[in-house]
Amino acid sequence: GENVEQHPSTLSVQEGDSAVIKCTYSDSASNYFPWYKQELGKRPQLIIDIRSNVGEKKDQRIAVTLNKTAKHFSLHITETQPEDSAVYFCALDQEGSQGNLIFGKGTKLSVKP
Amino acid sequence: DGGITQSPKYLFRKEGQNVTLSCEQNLNHDAMYWYRQDPGQGLRLIYYSQIVNDFQKGDIAEGYSVSREKKESFPLTVTSAQKNPTAFYLCASSIRGLGGEAFFGQGTRLTVV
Repeated sequence: GENVEQHPSTLSVQEGDSAVIKCTYSDSASNYFPWYKQELGKRPQLIIDIRSNVGEKKDQRIAVTLNKTAKHFSLHITETQPEDSAVYFCALDQEGSQGNLIFGKGTKLSVKP
Repeated sequence: DGGITQSPKYLFRKEGQNVTLSCEQNLNHDAMYWYRQDPGQGLRLIYYSQIVNDFQKGDIAEGYSVSREKKESFPLTVTSAQKNPTAFYLCASSIRGLGGEAFFGQGTRLTVV
């Protein structure tokens, strides 16, 4: 089945620095690549997503890039703030599953003031 | 609050007992999912349902059962056959088909005592 590798598993940055999280995958038929943020004790929530016909998408301080040839996509957070501290999950749609999302194992981001 | 509700938030079960976790959504979504979350393991798919009266096993279905008698409801039963049931369980829903955002419930933390 599809496998999503997410790195790093933990990331610590100083407030104001940038953070980058990368995911690689094997199924070339995947077309939808969302990123979820889960704050401590809360539900995961979508923060940004990208589809296979787009290489980059930006929303204020967050951006996602997709390289379908190399089969990887990345989340970029600029000017990090303490409230960005959370666990971030990448995901992608599983071919033939009618919408099932396969998740990476998560990255715990800590932003130090 | 997202339109998808899980109950209870915390649940304690004695070994050998079955227990049912509730998930209700009023988003008119066709697809519903159950994920299990363990530390460092990301989100693993237990069962999913694309339409009423139909459901499919996910990656870790052993020891679990579901039903989908109504569009709004997708309860998960953790049976005594599940050897390590202590975990955080998340229910989600989405519009059927590839490339749709998944909306999550607030989760149920199950502890076996």
